[in-house]
Formats: sequence, structure tokens, C-alpha cells
Amino acid sequence: GAVVSQHPSWVICKSGTSVKIECRSLDFQATTMFWYRQFPKQSLMLMATSNEGSKATYEQGVEKDKFLINHASLTLSTLTVTSAHPEDSSFYICSANIDLLTQPQHFGDGTRLSIL
Amino acid sequence: GIQVEQSPPDLILQEGANSTLRCNFSDSVNNLQWFHQNPWGQLINLFYIPSGTKQNGRLSATTVATERYSLLYISSSQTTDSGVYFCAVSYTGFQKLVFGTGTRLLVSP
Repeated sequence: GAVVSQHPSWVICKSGTSVKIECRSLDFQATTMFWYRQFPKQSLMLMATSNEGSKATYEQGVEKDKFLINHASLTLSTLTVTSAHPEDSSFYICSANIDLLTQPQHFGDGTRLSIL
Repeated sequence: GIQVEQSPPDLILQEGANSTLRCNFSDSVNNLQWFHQNPWGQLINLFYIPSGTKQNGRLSATTVATERYSLLYISSSQTTDSGVYFCAVSYTGFQKLVFGTGTRLLVSP
């Protein structure tokens, strides 16, 4: 149980386009999901906390107008990278869990985004 | 904020060797997880271990919360163990995970 699905797994697009990444909890409901970013040979850094039915909470230094997060249902959160540029190229990964305080977080397989 | 440091940063082993990876954290935590990130980027959940000791096959982990560290033991290493190992913690009162600096492991045949 506790499977998190992320789609797409790989995106290549031109500079200036917007890209949407989906994160789904397949067998449980998640009122909270998390979005991370990882640059090559670095650790994962939390970008934002996605809350079902309310606004996301962004970490310091993350542009909320650049990275739009929508958590419209208990099983789906989306991250949209707006007007993407080459510096936005990175590995994006989401996570969710059943009980944030007593259960482990489960991660999607990630999305590798390349902006040309 | 909380600091999570892992050591060693890089480790090269021959197949069959044992190793210990360490994770130090700077504040009280209510969640600690160990992950293996494979070459495709997938995070494999190894242990959920906010305290105590757990074992799963050739891997085991120990967290001493009062002394703010956790250890991951890998015995009889195999080439498929290669990758990056991360610990991640969430500190008391907060839900988000903070990832450590990682240990890059290479197991050669």
C-alpha cells in the first residue's frame, strides 16, 4: 500500500513553455503532499507543501508565481512550472503519506525536466 | 532550521565488504527515514526509524534520538547497492522532511 504515482517521468520542452507535473496517491487520501527539487549531485530540497483545498506553503526563496501548486482533491496535487527557462531544468519529486506524524512519507518516481 | 549532516560523503567498497553510514541531526525529530536513490533517481524507502533498531535482510539501521544520530549498516555489499543514500528527518512540531547531504556509495565487483 501507500503508493504515490508521478507523471510524466521525463519532459523536454522549449524555453518559455509551461509544464504541468501530476502527483497522485493511488491507494490512500493525502490532505498534504510535498514537492521537492533536486539539482545534479545535490540533495533534495523542499519547495512547497501542498494542502488540499487551500493555498500551498512555499519555502523561502521559491517563487510562488513561477511554481504554481494546485491540490484540488485528496489524491491529486499538480505542480506547474510557468514560463520555464533552462535554469528550471531539474529533477522534481513529490511525496505524501497517510499520517504525517506517525507514518513514513512515500515518494513518486520523480520527473526529470529539461528546458532547451 | 534543522541541520542534517551525513558521513562519509563518498564511499568506495569492494563487493562483499561491510559499511556504516552516519546521519547527524541538530534538533529533536519525530520522523527519520533512510532512502536509497538509484541511478534513475527513484527514492527507495529503506527504513522508517525515528528511534530504535530495525533490520531488513543485509541492511539494518539504528537511531539514537537522544544523541541525535542514526546509523545505516550495509553488510556483504553488492554492486546493486551502489547509489546515493539519504537520511531525512522531520523535527518535532513540523511535518516536512529535511534531507541530509547524502552518501554516494560505489560498490565495485
